[in-house]
Amino acid sequence: DAMVIQNPRYQVTQFGKPVTLSCSQTLNHNVMYWYQQKSSQAPKLLFHYYDKDFNNEADTPDNFQSRRPNTSFCFLDIRSPGLGDAAMYLCATSRDGPSGAKNIQYFGAGTRLSVL
Amino acid sequence: TQLLEQSPQFLSIQEGENLTVYCNSSSVFSSLQWYRQEPGEGPVLLVTVVTGGEVKKLKRLTFQFGDARKDSSLHITAAQPGDTGLYLCAGAGAGGTSYGKLTFGQGTILTVHP
Repeated sequence: DAMVIQNPRYQVTQFGKPVTLSCSQTLNHNVMYWYQQKSSQAPKLLFHYYDKDFNNEADTPDNFQSRRPNTSFCFLDIRSPGLGDAAMYLCATSRDGPSGAKNIQYFGAGTRLSVL
Repeated sequence: TQLLEQSPQFLSIQEGENLTVYCNSSSVFSSLQWYRQEPGEGPVLLVTVVTGGEVKKLKRLTFQFGDARKDSSLHITAAQPGDTGLYLCAGAGAGGTSYGKLTFGQGTILTVHP
């Protein structure tokens, strides 16, 4: 059974039209991450939540926002999508725990975003 | 800033061949994870190595963590078409990071031809 679930799997939006991607988890992990991944490249971290604390990466554009209303859910909001924002968006979770275990991230299947 | 150099970037081989993917860094990692990703899917965790010098085996895949915890390798024996995918190594910072932020290698696109 999927433990990190992303919806939708495919999202098409128009240039400049706000879009929200969602992620839910059944692992009860306290840390949730959002990554952007472009074709066959490594994922690029956008931001993460450590419990309720939001941590933005320095080079993440202001166009990208996130919300985490509770432990299980996290949302990625793209306020005004541009053509360059077309990518796979990955959600991941981890548990901050004993050394070694805390560093394991589990990924969802991703949402493929297209911008027309 | 921690960097993780992964090589090769592309690997195209015939079924039955062996291959090795390398990840190298000048930084020490508290752990290193290997993921495999198929097109249109998210990365799937293959293994985590934590101890310097550790070797883990997963069927035909052998993972090794360097003694100094700065490098790692993935060796696949007798590759099969089902092994095709993007392989990612990712290191977790040593010291200071309580949430396990990962540094990813550039990825290796492996294609195994029947």
